Amino acid sequence: GENVEQHPSTLSVQEGDSAVIKCTYSDSASNYFPWYKQELGKRPQLIIDIRSNVGKKKDQRIAVTLNKTAKHFSLHITETQPEDSAVYFCAASLLSGSARQLTFGSGTQLTVLP
Amino acid sequence: NAGVTQTPKFRVLKTGQSMTLLCAQDMNHEYMYWYRQDPGMGLRLIHYSVGEGTTAKGEVPDGYNVSRLKKQNFLLGLESAAPSQTSVYFCAIRDLAKNIQYFGAGTRLSVL
Repeated sequence: GENVEQHPSTLSVQEGDSAVIKCTYSDSASNYFPWYKQELGKRPQLIIDIRSNVGKKKDQRIAVTLNKTAKHFSLHITETQPEDSAVYFCAASLLSGSARQLTFGSGTQLTVLP
Repeated sequence: NAGVTQTPKFRVLKTGQSMTLLCAQDMNHEYMYWYRQDPGMGLRLIHYSVGEGTTAKGEVPDGYNVSRLKKQNFLLGLESAAPSQTSVYFCAIRDLAKNIQYFGAGTRLSVL
């Protein structure tokens, strides 16, 4: 089955700096890669996703890049703000097939210091 | 949040007790999932369902059972709770049209 590794497990940045979180996956058939943000005590919520036919996607201050050859993808947050502090999870899955279940990384606790 | 409701929100059990967690959706999504979340381990899939009357095992199914008798409801059962099942449980649905997975608010379970 799919295995997703995520690094780093904790990340502290100064407000205004950039943050980068990296994930690798094992199954070359995976073609859908979402990122979820989970604030303390809340449910995970999708913030951005990318499909395998795209190398980069951007939405305001967040962007995701995908390298299918190397089987890794990254989340980039620019101009970080205190409200970006949360746990971020990457995931991988297939867009088609019977289950389409997401396999998650272990999470990154991002702290933005004022 | 795609109308995914989990009950209860909190529960404390003694070892050996049983309970059922309910996940209800107010849409018509086929795919439903149960995850558990433990510190440092992300979200791990317990069981899932791809439609009414179907269930399948995920990554960590031992000690749990599920049922999907009605399309709107996906139940997760613990027949004999163990301290290792202390966790936060999340239900999710997959919106196939948007290909987005939405999560419920979670159930925090403690087994003493």
